[in-house]
Amino acid sequence: KQEVTQIPAALSVPEGENLVLNCSFTDSAIYNLQWFRQDPGKGLTSLLLIQSSQREQTSGRLNASLDKSSGRSTLYIAASQPGDSATYLCAVNQAGTALIFGKGTTLSVSS
Amino acid sequence: GAVVSQHPSRVICKSGTSVKIECRSLDFQATTMFWYRQFPKQSLMLMATSNEGSKATYEQGVEKDKFLINHASLTLSTLTVTSAHPEDSSFYICSAADRGLGTGELFFGEGSRLTVL
Repeated sequence: KQEVTQIPAALSVPEGENLVLNCSFTDSAIYNLQWFRQDPGKGLTSLLLIQSSQREQTSGRLNASLDKSSGRSTLYIAASQPGDSATYLCAVNQAGTALIFGKGTTLSVSS
Repeated sequence: GAVVSQHPSRVICKSGTSVKIECRSLDFQATTMFWYRQFPKQSLMLMATSNEGSKATYEQGVEKDKFLINHASLTLSTLTVTSAHPEDSSFYICSAADRGLGTGELFFGEGSRLTVL
C-alpha cells in the first residue's frame, strides 16, 4: 500500500528565505506526482504536476523535482513571501487511480 | 485546466438527516471520480472511487450504506451522507481526471464543508 510522508510537518521562516519541502513515497511505481497548496478552510490549489517520466517542473518561484527510483520529491520555494503561508500537500498515484496524499507541511512566512 | 465544481460549498444539517453533495465536471467527461474527506488539521483521505454506470468502490473502513455514491452520468457524481451525525462533520472534496488532456492530472472541486448539529 502506497504511503506518502512529508517532512517537516511545520516550518517557520522569515520573508525572503529559500526553502525546501520534502516528500517521500514507498512504492516507486507511480504515474504522477502532484503538489498542492491549501489555505486554512479552503480547497486545494494545484501547483505542479510531475509525470513519472519527468525529473522536474517549474512555475514561477516554485520548482519541484522527482527522483522516482528513490521515491522522493522536493518542492523548492525561492524568495519566500508571507503570501506563501499555507499547507503544502504532496500526492502520488498510479495510472487511473486516486491520488494518495501526505499529511502536508504547514509553512509560515513572517514579514 | 479542467474544471470540477461542487455544490453546496457549505451545508449545516440536523443530526439524523441526509445530505447530498454534487460533483460536476464542467468541461470534460469523467468516467471515474474520487471522493475524499478531510477532518480538521488532517490530510485528505480517500473514501471511494465513483464509476459511471456501476457501483462505487469504497475504501476500507468507509460504510457504503452510509455514504451513498451515484455516478449516473459522465459529468455528475453525487455523495449522499445518510442519517448524518456530528462525527460526519468534515470537509468533503471530489476529483476527476480529464483523460482528453493525456496527462492523468487530477482536478479537484472546491470542497463541501458539512456541519452536523
